[in-house]
Amino acid sequence: DSGVTQTPKHLITATGQRVTLRCSPRSGDLSVYWYQQSLDQGLQFLIQYYNGEERAKGNILERFSAQQFPDLHSELNLSSLELGDSALYFCASSVGTGLRQPQHFGDGTRLSIL
Amino acid sequence: GDSVTQMEGPVTLSEEAFLTINCTYTATGYPSLFWYVQYPGEGLQLLLKATKADDKGSNKGFEATYRKETTSFHLEKGSVQVSDSAVYFCALTSPMDTGRRALTFGSGTRLQVQP
Repeated sequence: DSGVTQTPKHLITATGQRVTLRCSPRSGDLSVYWYQQSLDQGLQFLIQYYNGEERAKGNILERFSAQQFPDLHSELNLSSLELGDSALYFCASSVGTGLRQPQHFGDGTRLSIL
Repeated sequence: GDSVTQMEGPVTLSEEAFLTINCTYTATGYPSLFWYVQYPGEGLQLLLKATKADDKGSNKGFEATYRKETTSFHLEKGSVQVSDSAVYFCALTSPMDTGRRALTFGSGTRLQVQP
């Protein structure tokens, strides 16, 4: 058990809809990262937060947004969903932003767009 | 930009065989290097890490040495078990992006160990 909790585990929805994925980091971790895992793109970094503030963006679409709340949990919002958004979405956390600090991953949310 | 290249799988081995999964990287400066493992239906688990040249990371019988001269971080295990069947990802964090500590992943290598 990594200590990172993601909900829900599975999400099935239709094109055009909006969903929210939730992540609770490990106790004491201030950094939260979101990644997308798909068959064609592999594991891609989406966005990073540190102590409530956005720190870096990766290959995140404009239809996607995220935030980190004062209690440090984070939510990833996906809107106007397309078939290509079907993927496994992972949240990871680390203590800070140090180069040597490993990231610990949740079990992911599997999103299926019908 | 930074990148990680892993050998393509699947790698199929018999139990107790020796494992090597090759990983090379491209990055400026001295990145930190990681191996993660993903078991079926689960998230990624940190397997081992190395944060400077010539460091050897080890865990659960797996080892990898940070080779700056060859920009490599190959994963090895002397005797694999059926329970090691999983997908293995090599990854790095770059020292060049202060405050941005996103992992850059390789494409993953699937290992299948047969009894």
